[in-house]
Amino acid sequence: AQSVTQLDSHVSVSEGTPVLLRCNYSSSYSPSLFWYVQHPNKGLQLLLKYTSAATLVKGINGFEAEFKKSETSFHLTKPSAHMSDAAEYFCVVNAGGTSYGKLTFGQGTILTVHP
Amino acid sequence: DAGVIQSPRHEVTEMGQEVTLRCKPISGHDYLFWYRQTMMRGLELLIYFNNNVPIDDSGMPEDRFSAKMPNASFSTLKIQPSEPRDSAVYFCASSSGRTGSTGELFFGEGSRLTVL
Repeated sequence: AQSVTQLDSHVSVSEGTPVLLRCNYSSSYSPSLFWYVQHPNKGLQLLLKYTSAATLVKGINGFEAEFKKSETSFHLTKPSAHMSDAAEYFCVVNAGGTSYGKLTFGQGTILTVHP
Repeated sequence: DAGVIQSPRHEVTEMGQEVTLRCKPISGHDYLFWYRQTMMRGLELLIYFNNNVPIDDSGMPEDRFSAKMPNASFSTLKIQPSEPRDSAVYFCASSSGRTGSTGELFFGEGSRLTVL
């Protein structure tokens, strides 16, 4: 079985300040982990992915995430928020094995960026 | 390259009517997924296909829902009869066997369904 928990439903930051979106997971297999972003009235877009290579993963738009097996975490960070980062972010786990291609989505974190 | 294309983008219908949502996956992708997104339940996988064959439909809520993939470039999700609780955004996503093995999906922009 696999699950993912996003620890904050809403995060609010000021433009230019750091962003931290937290995600914890559980998985019976070695997981692949993803962050997707969804802007209003749009589909989900892949930000970055971890697939058992480097534990620090860099994605698009300056985002990065670090896989910490001991903490079962995959937090998303960005050094300096931009207004265009305002969106909903989803942490996603794919346990692989017989769950090939079947992802488990977190409940989402809405990021608000203030001027 | 064109992404995943869904139609209609918005649909408003009355309870009891049939609804058909359509999806064209990215050319060359052999996996296709249908998801439903609601405020209460978040994103739920309804069904997914591999090489046009349904692999897992355990997420389809009930017999009112059906999905088909007659060929590699087209899929439909049908609700008959529709009910107000079916109101949601329905997403189609596709992936290739190579990227799909790590779970990377490419999503369409969704079909927003409102059942009155």
